[in-house]
Amino acid sequence: NAGVMQNPRHLVRRRGQEARLRCSPMKGHSHVYWYRQLPEEGLKFMVYLQKENIIDESGMPKERFSAEFPKEGPSILRIQQVVRGDSAAYFCASSPGTASAQPQHFGDGTRLSIL
Amino acid sequence: GQNIDQPTEMTATEGAIVQINCTYQTSGFNGLFWYQQHAGEAPTFLSYNVLDGLEEKGRFSSFLSRSKGYSYLLLKELQMKDSASYLCAVWGFNKFYFGSGTKLNVKP
Repeated sequence: NAGVMQNPRHLVRRRGQEARLRCSPMKGHSHVYWYRQLPEEGLKFMVYLQKENIIDESGMPKERFSAEFPKEGPSILRIQQVVRGDSAAYFCASSPGTASAQPQHFGDGTRLSIL
Repeated sequence: GQNIDQPTEMTATEGAIVQINCTYQTSGFNGLFWYQQHAGEAPTFLSYNVLDGLEEKGRFSSFLSRSKGYSYLLLKELQMKDSASYLCAVWGFNKFYFGSGTKLNVKP
């Protein structure tokens, strides 16, 4: 069974460029979550999506960041006009999305470095 | 607001038992989860509690008291490979709130 797939594993961008991070959830999972992690810190919730819907984006910065989970294809986290402070590990997680609490399964993350 | 507290770092000896505590104050509560994260890797699910009490899974156990807003993760027969960060996470309204993690150092 394929787990949560994220790509690329490492991404280097110069200030002002755009970064696109992709996440394919586990088979059978319809709920996707994005988190950001700085070194030596915990995971910070960014956004929760279902197919074609943003359910909760309360952790997303108001500008430059956007996320989508189209009907077909992976979920995309997009960061426009990147700045040095965007350097972090970005993790995607998925769950089946039932009403009861379910553990989330994480991808290996994308390490974003801004030059 | 949401507040989840864990000790920053702990050290224990191979073969020993260690308890990692977590206290939480969140606006919603539907379960408490524990994850293990090795440096540079993805978090992996260890255990979770929805109701009060102890859940045992091999060398790992997790305890929950909802009235006290308190949980702990118990690791028995520590092995060197258990050196990692342990993340406490509360499942609230549609999202997880993660603590900053406890870095566990296992010494020979």
